[in-house]
Amino acid sequence: ETGVTQSPTHLIKTRGQQVTLRCSSQSGHNTVSWYQQALGQGPQFIFQYYREEENGRGNFPPRFSGLQFPNYSSELNVNALELDDSALYLCASSDGETQYFGPGTRLLVL
Amino acid sequence: GENVEQHPSTLSVQEGDSAVIKCTYSDSASNYFPWYKQELGKGPQLIIDIRSNVGEKKDQRIAVTLNKTAKHFSLHITETQPEDSAVYFCAASQRSNDYKLSFGAGTTVTVRA
Repeated sequence: ETGVTQSPTHLIKTRGQQVTLRCSSQSGHNTVSWYQQALGQGPQFIFQYYREEENGRGNFPPRFSGLQFPNYSSELNVNALELDDSALYLCASSDGETQYFGPGTRLLVL
Repeated sequence: GENVEQHPSTLSVQEGDSAVIKCTYSDSASNYFPWYKQELGKGPQLIIDIRSNVGEKKDQRIAVTLNKTAKHFSLHITETQPEDSAVYFCAASQRSNDYKLSFGAGTTVTVRA
């Protein structure tokens, strides 16, 4: 157990809708990162938050956005969903260097 | 940005034999190299990591080697067991980039009983 939880576990949405995914990090971990893992591929870095501020973004459009809260929880929001957004979304919390992943949220866009 | 390549994509070994997975990276500034194991329906689990100031690290049946000059690192699993069957990912990151991970494409390891 990594101490990182994510909700929901599975989600089905239709193209054009918006979705919010949630993550609860380990207490004391000030850094949270979000990754997208398409089927059969390695995780791709979306963005990272440190002490509630965005701290770097990967090659993802602005319709992917996030929030980090003081209670070590965070959100990933995706607007105007596209079919290619179907993937496993992983949250990872860190005490600085080592990242611990949650179980992920499986998103299916129809 | 960093580009991590991982080989092989699939690996089948007999129980008790060794498994080796190799990764190369492109950014010489990378200095942290974790390995993750992902079982079906679960998130990646850190199994071992190595930093650029060491060449080899071992933890029971798992070892990782790093060659910074050649920019490659490898995972070695000895005495494989059926529960070692999973997808393994290598990754690379750097402190100056706040350890944002770049992952390889993964290796599906199957241990035959």
